Parts: sequence; C-alpha cells; structure tokens
Amino acid sequence: DIQMTQSPSSLSASVGDRVTITCRASQGISNSLAWYQQKPGKAPKLLLYAASRLESGVPSRFSGSGSGTDYTLTISSLQPEDFATYYCQQYYSTLPITFGQGTRLEIK
Amino acid sequence: QVQLQESGPGLVKPSETLSLTCTVSGGSISSYYWSWIRQPAGKGLEWIGRIYTSGSTNYNPSLKSRVTMSVDTSKNQFSLKLSSVTAADTAVYYCARQWLGVDYWGQGTLVTVSS
Repeated sequence: DIQMTQSPSSLSASVGDRVTITCRASQGISNSLAWYQQKPGKAPKLLLYAASRLESGVPSRFSGSGSGTDYTLTISSLQPEDFATYYCQQYYSTLPITFGQGTRLEIK
Repeated sequence: QVQLQESGPGLVKPSETLSLTCTVSGGSISSYYWSWIRQPAGKGLEWIGRIYTSGSTNYNPSLKSRVTMSVDTSKNQFSLKLSSVTAADTAVYYCARQWLGVDYWGQGTLVTVSS
C-alpha cells in the first residue's frame, strides 16, 4: 500500500489566515493526488486533482502544489465556510487507492 | 448534473452479507470508474474498491476476499456485496465516481452491523 500521511492532524486558525496542509506519500505518486473537504454529516467534496488542478466551482483561494512524495494544500485567506476536515487521496496505485488520515481545521 | 443515490438495508447481522446498490442519474454510467468508499463514525475514509463499466474491478486487498462489485449499465446502477460482516464493518458507505479524484459522491448510507 502507498501510505499517505497528513500534517498537521488538527489546526486552529482565524478567518483571513493563510493555511497550509501537507500530505506525504510513502513513495512517489507522480502528482496523482486529490484533495477533499468534508463537513460534518456530508460527503467529501473534491477541491483539487492532479495535485494542483482546481475542480470546477471551487474558489481560487484553494491551491495545491508538490511533486514526487510531498504535496501541499493552501488556503490563501480562510473564510468561515472553510472550517472542515481535509483529506488527501492518492490514485497513482489502485492496490489500493488510499487517503490521508485527515486534517481538522478549526476556528481559533 | 450527475447524482448518485445509495440504497440497501441499514442494519445487517454479523456474519451476513451487506448489499448496497448505487443508482446514477443525470448522466450515463458508461466509461467511468465507480467506487465504494466507507467511513466509520468519527474516522477517516477507506476505499473499498471500484468497477469500470466493462465490469473490470479493483478491490482493496484488505477486503478483497469479502468484496464483490457488479454493474448494470441498463439500469445505470452498480452494486457492492461485502460478506461475513462484523461490527468493524459498521460505517457510512458512499458510492462515488472516480476519475481524476472522486468528483461525484452519493449522500452516504449508514450501515450498522448488529444482531
């Protein structure tokens, strides 16, 4: 399995802050990485795919970068609706497709 | 707008088989991968497996011995069977469309394994 390790596991921030979440793969995944936002009681929502491509309809304050084994999700200016849990997912290997453990973003 | 809806029993007895169906509306099921993903309460996401519309499957090795997926393109549906369930299989089960990332998700259905 390709292990996906997110950091931090939780994060407190204020509206307007710039926030970065990191995802590290146990082996190279050639930018085959997606980021999701999940709010309580809801299905996850796709934010970015191919490490840096913004899904249609997602605000431009969300961005992604990285290569090889290390990837980041950045929210440039936190909005109240951004407080949620974020997951990364690698789809480079389907044996199996794996998710990070999640990063809970809370209001400071 | 593609929509996915899970259906199936919300309660399954230990050692029995969990069966769920996902109905896809607003678009064709053809030419995509269709996945099942689950999430125990308060925990992270686990990919169960996926099926292509040709019937080709990829399963999570940790569940492979118990999982069967199928697709019915005439009904725009795909299905999951998970056999010999235990309490550890209690989770919200999502059906989803996977291409470059999972772009469409069902709302999720809670399946509880209990006698």
